[in-house]
Amino acid sequence: DQQVKQNSPSLSVQEGRISILNCDYTNSMFDYFLWYKKYPAEGPTFLISISSIKDKNEDGRFTVFLNKSAKHLSLHIVPSQPGDSAVYFCAASALDSGAGSYQLTFGKGTKLSVIP
Amino acid sequence: GAVVSQHPSRVICKSGTSVKIECRSLDFQATTMFWYRQFPKQSLMLMATSNEGSKATYEQGVEKDKFLINHASLTLSTLTVTSAHPEDSSFYICSASGGPWSNEQFFGPGTRLTVL
Repeated sequence: DQQVKQNSPSLSVQEGRISILNCDYTNSMFDYFLWYKKYPAEGPTFLISISSIKDKNEDGRFTVFLNKSAKHLSLHIVPSQPGDSAVYFCAASALDSGAGSYQLTFGKGTKLSVIP
Repeated sequence: GAVVSQHPSRVICKSGTSVKIECRSLDFQATTMFWYRQFPKQSLMLMATSNEGSKATYEQGVEKDKFLINHASLTLSTLTVTSAHPEDSSFYICSASGGPWSNEQFFGPGTRLTVL
């Protein structure tokens, strides 16, 4: 059962326009959400996060929106740049008291291509 | 942000041999480290969580005798793939967290394992 879903495996956007990447989750215990950017054969790099007590977090060109009632979040990139081309993973965090840590559950990723 | 390194970046080995992958947090003390595995075009799958000085907590379906994890210090965790087989070929990524109750995870660059 996939608890974090990114239903669009790929997205193409023209340079300068807005990129919107979507993510849905099913586990109501998730209380922190993160977006990671990943290039092939590299580890993910952190982009932006949002706590469940907020509905919006902005950092430069990146904005994450959270709709808790719909269990949906989205990442907006504006304006999109060719260097933004990568795979974007949505991740959700919940406390695992057994392991004594917050664990991340990842979606399958969306490959963003920004066309010059 | 915090830096996590992995070594080696890629390794090719014969079936039946053991391979050790190191994960180091370079500029912070990582009380918790995570090991992920990523198949092509798939999400990152958490294999295990380890807290410094204690035994790792393995996810369901991950063989603890095959994937040995040692987290002996606050800056180093190792993953040993014992008696590797071709189906163990994958991209292994570690991440480190600065504290047991920290939501932030910093990822290493990954290790590509190919078992012939």
